[in-house]
Amino acid sequence: DSGVTQTPKHLITATGQRVTLRCSPRSGDLSVYWYQQSLDQGLQFLIQYYNGEERAKGNILERFSAQQFPDLHSELNLSSLELGDSALYFCASSVGGTAYQETQYFGPGTRLLVL
Amino acid sequence: AQKITQTQPGMFVQEKEAVTLDCTYDTSDPSYGLFWYKQPSSGEMIFLIYQGSYDQQNATEGRYSLNFQKARKSANLVISASQLGDSAMYFCAMREVLGFQKLVFGTGTRLLVSP
Repeated sequence: DSGVTQTPKHLITATGQRVTLRCSPRSGDLSVYWYQQSLDQGLQFLIQYYNGEERAKGNILERFSAQQFPDLHSELNLSSLELGDSALYFCASSVGGTAYQETQYFGPGTRLLVL
Repeated sequence: AQKITQTQPGMFVQEKEAVTLDCTYDTSDPSYGLFWYKQPSSGEMIFLIYQGSYDQQNATEGRYSLNFQKARKSANLVISASQLGDSAMYFCAMREVLGFQKLVFGTGTRLLVSP
């Protein structure tokens, strides 16, 4: 158990809908990262938050948004869902957010299926 | 260009034998970290081992060791005394200072350990 929690574990929804994925980082970690794992794209970095502020952005679609709250939990919002958004979404956390040596610990993931 | 290359889509090993999973990387950043993660069929991403670009010695964590050859830009994972529970996908990842905070992953190697 990495100490990172994600809810829900599974999500089935229809095209055009909006969903929210939730992540709680390990105790003491200030950074939260979101990754998407799909069969065709592999594991891709979406976005990072550090202590409530956006720190880095990756291949995140405009239909997707995220935030980190004062208690450091984070939410990833996916809207106008398309079939291609079906994937495993991971949240990871690390102590800080600026050191390349820091290990990112991953949550169990949320498996999203868009029908 | 691919930053992380894992050329072995699948590997097969017998229990108690050692196995090496290959990883080569591409970066012009002098400061970077290399990570290996394990993803069992249940889906979670489990951190295994870390090697920093300035580390003089190869990293070891229990049965896992990293064969780091900086000049060749390779960071191969060695699993000694394979166990049935080692059957999983293994991902090599890199984090660069210039790449902000994201982890860049390879495509993974599926390891199957047989009795």
